[in-house]
Amino acid sequence: NAGVMQNPRHLVRRRGQEARLRCSPMKGHSHVYWYRQLPEEGLKFMVYLQKENIIDESGMPKERFSAEFPKEGPSILRIQQVVRGDSAAYFCASSPPRGSRTLETQYFGPGTRLLVL
Amino acid sequence: GENVEQHPSTLSVQEGDSAVIKCTYSDSASNYFPWYKQELGKRPQLIIDIRSNVGEKKDQRIAVTLNKTAKHFSLHITETQPEDSAVYFCAASTAPRYNDYKLSFGAGTTVTVRA
Repeated sequence: NAGVMQNPRHLVRRRGQEARLRCSPMKGHSHVYWYRQLPEEGLKFMVYLQKENIIDESGMPKERFSAEFPKEGPSILRIQQVVRGDSAAYFCASSPPRGSRTLETQYFGPGTRLLVL
Repeated sequence: GENVEQHPSTLSVQEGDSAVIKCTYSDSASNYFPWYKQELGKRPQLIIDIRSNVGEKKDQRIAVTLNKTAKHFSLHITETQPEDSAVYFCAASTAPRYNDYKLSFGAGTTVTVRA
């Protein structure tokens, strides 16, 4: 029973390039969340998605960042024209479908560590 | 939005002693409070959670207490072991009310268990 999967685990980009991070939720989960963790800090919410819908993007920077969760395939967090300040660990989490007794519970993936040179 | 504060930021305890981490939250509508353990370079792992309809929950050496009136909740680890050394994060959410499931995290507590 695979948990939340993320790839790549490590990503190095030069300033101005694009970073594309992927997340596959746990089997049976249809809700995905993205969080960013700066070095030695807590996790900050970025965006919450269901299949083909963005539910809450209140934590997403207004420019350069976008997220999607298509009907088929993983959720993708895209960062365009990366800058050094984007260097962080990006974690994805998933939760059970609505109607589950534990629908608030979020399970995290291993993260993608992005380094911008 | 929700603001979660966590104390202390670092905690060093002797093996076998207890560790207590405290968090406060600002949004009285918050009703779900999970705790995560994160080892260096690893994913946050859910260790225990509590919902607002209970005041205390225990799982072996780990317990969480919630005081809704004071808007604070605490993690208690008894009989600490070296493998308890990690960063612990508290979080809060208003889910499922308002269809708002995002977690607001505290800044974390680095726990070191001395052998």
